Amino acid sequence: AQSVTQLGSHVSVSEGALVLLRCNYSSSVPPYLFWYVQYPNQGLQLLLKYTTGATLVKGINGFEAEFKKSETSFHLTKPSAHMSDAAEYFCAVSDSNDMRFGAGTRLTVKP
Amino acid sequence: GAGVSQSPSNKVTEKGKDVELRCDPISGHTALYWYRQSLGQGLEFLIYFQGNSAPDKSGLPSDRFSAERTGGSVSTLTIQRTQQEDSAVYLCASSPTDSGRLGYTFGSGTRLTVV
Repeated sequence: AQSVTQLGSHVSVSEGALVLLRCNYSSSVPPYLFWYVQYPNQGLQLLLKYTTGATLVKGINGFEAEFKKSETSFHLTKPSAHMSDAAEYFCAVSDSNDMRFGAGTRLTVKP
Repeated sequence: GAGVSQSPSNKVTEKGKDVELRCDPISGHTALYWYRQSLGQGLEFLIYFQGNSAPDKSGLPSDRFSAERTGGSVSTLTIQRTQQEDSAVYLCASSPTDSGRLGYTFGSGTRLTVV
């Protein structure tokens, strides 16, 4: 069965600084990997996904993530944080007909 | 519809009462999922539907929880004899297929508070 581990339940960065949110997965088959963002009192919104092909995937709001099979990682990055990026971020893995989510990382952006 | 719609958005109920939570998925999406999000926790998988069938009910926490889907569209999650530990946000999501590769579209959730 697949699973996801997100390192760091809280990450705080200054506005304009690099954002790095870590995600490691476990899957017995080639996985589909996702990052979702959740703003307060809202559902989850898909940021980006990796299914096949290019291992560096770009998503909305300037985020990108790189699939590294050798490290079983799918870390999320953004070169320059904006105040509006403050939210909860969830990494997820799917290898069939259900998706398993990490515990989430709350991103705080300081002015 | 344009998105996944959940109702009610908030529900306060007394311990021991039954509640029904509704999910209206995106038109044409055959797969529908229910998750539970407790305070400070990640998402806990409850159940998924492909059409009107539920191939995987493994996540339902107890026999007080049940779900159905009719017409390949609307789904209802029912919690009987609610307990305080049932308090959480219940999220519904839908997808065009159940292959897992397309990602899900989530509703805004139902916040359930059991007092």
